[in-house]
Amino acid sequence: GDSVTQMEGPVTLSEEAFLTINCTYTATGYPSLFWYVQYPGEGLQLLLKATKADDKGSNKGFEATYRKETTSFHLEKGSVQVSDSAVYFCALSPREGGYQKVTFGTGTKLQVIP
Amino acid sequence: GAVVSQHPSRVICKSGTSVKIECRSLDFQATTMFWYRQFPKQSLMLMATSNEGSKATYEQGVEKDKFLINHASLTLSTLTVTSAHPEDSSFYICSASLPGGVVSPLHFGNGTRLTVT
Repeated sequence: GDSVTQMEGPVTLSEEAFLTINCTYTATGYPSLFWYVQYPGEGLQLLLKATKADDKGSNKGFEATYRKETTSFHLEKGSVQVSDSAVYFCALSPREGGYQKVTFGTGTKLQVIP
Repeated sequence: GAVVSQHPSRVICKSGTSVKIECRSLDFQATTMFWYRQFPKQSLMLMATSNEGSKATYEQGVEKDKFLINHASLTLSTLTVTSAHPEDSSFYICSASLPGGVVSPLHFGNGTRLTVT
C-alpha cells in the first residue's frame, strides 16, 4: 500500500538557519504530494502541494519539488523564523478529483530558537 | 478559502459518558468528510469516511458502535464517542474536501482535544 516516510524529529534550528525535512513515498501510479503544517493545539493547514513530477510547490518561503525518480518531496526553507515552529506532515493522495484518502507521514517537529 | 469548523475544541468528560464532536464546512458543501485520530507524537490515523446521506465507512480496527458518525447534511458531520473511557482520550480532527474535478487538498478543522477522566 501507499506509504510516506519522513525524517524523525525533533529538528532544532537557530533562527535564519536553512531547513530541510526529508520525505520519501511509496505509491502506485502518480500521486499528488502535500506538506501540511500543524501549529500547537490546532488542526492541519495545507502548506504546499505538487500534483505531477518536477512540479515545485511553494508558500511562505517553503519549497518542495516532486521528484519521481527518487520518489521524494523534501521540504526546504532558506531562513527559518521562530514562528515556523510547528509539526510538518508530508502526505500523498492517490486520486485526482473529488475527495480522496490521504496517507500521512509521522510528522516532523521543528523547533526554531531565537 | 474553504473553512472547516470543529466544535468543541476541548472537552473533558467522565468515563462512561458520551461526547459529540461537530464538524462543519462553513462556505462549501462537503459530500464527504473524514475523521482522524491523532495520538501524541504520532501521525493522523484515519478512522472513518463520512458520506452525506449514507453510512460511514470505517477503517479496519475502528469500532463502529463506539465511534458513531452521522453526516445528515452537506455541511455537517458529527462524531459521537459513546461510553467513553480514558483510552479514548486523544486529539480528534475532521477534514473535508472541496468537490470538483481537480486535486483538492483537504481542509482541516482545528481539532478536538478529548480527555476522559
